[in-house]
Amino acid sequence: DVVLTQTPPTLSATIGQSVSISCRSSQSLLHSNGNTYLNWLLQRPGQPPQLLIYLVSRLESGVPNRFSGSGSGTDFTLKISGVEAEDLGVYYCVQSTHAPDTFGAGTKLELK
Amino acid sequence: QIQLVQSGPELKKPGESVKISCKASGYTFTDYAMHWVKQAPGKGLKWMGWINTYTGKPTYADDFKGRFVFSLEASASTANLQISNLKNEDTATYFCARTRFAYWGQGTLVTVSS
Repeated sequence: DVVLTQTPPTLSATIGQSVSISCRSSQSLLHSNGNTYLNWLLQRPGQPPQLLIYLVSRLESGVPNRFSGSGSGTDFTLKISGVEAEDLGVYYCVQSTHAPDTFGAGTKLELK
Repeated sequence: QIQLVQSGPELKKPGESVKISCKASGYTFTDYAMHWVKQAPGKGLKWMGWINTYTGKPTYADDFKGRFVFSLEASASTANLQISNLKNEDTATYFCARTRFAYWGQGTLVTVSS
């Protein structure tokens, strides 16, 4: 199975600070059809996860554009340009290129 | 608007069975696969598998083969997860999620305790 390693496990930020989360895959996530099925989710406390980014860098409808995704192959990054209070929670990367789908262990974003 | 509404919390004893439902609305049910995801208390997300809502064919992750069954009531736009012979380690919140993980149910907490 593909292993997704997220770093850091915990991130402390002040409001307005820009932060990045890394997701590294144990194998390339480039599918034979040319797509890379790497998504980013945010789970706020007590809530189901919410899709932020799909196909590495595409912003899900309704998601603020302070969120951006980048990367290719095995290395991916989620960036938040100016953290807001509503961004606190746990961020997960998830891949669907190789069966079975797998999630990263999560990165908890806290207020400093 | 698109919604996935799951059934309520369950308290079960070891060895019992439970069935969780996920009712979809706001889109054509058979156009999108449905995934199931487990989240143990205080832990991360674990993919359980998915069901093709057009053909009804389920696919299970290795850790969820045997006691776990995905099914459909397509006429009711509902996907179901049944867990038999419950164990303490099945205590978790179970989520349904549409293709691409774009839409999620609110989660169903299943507590297994004697």
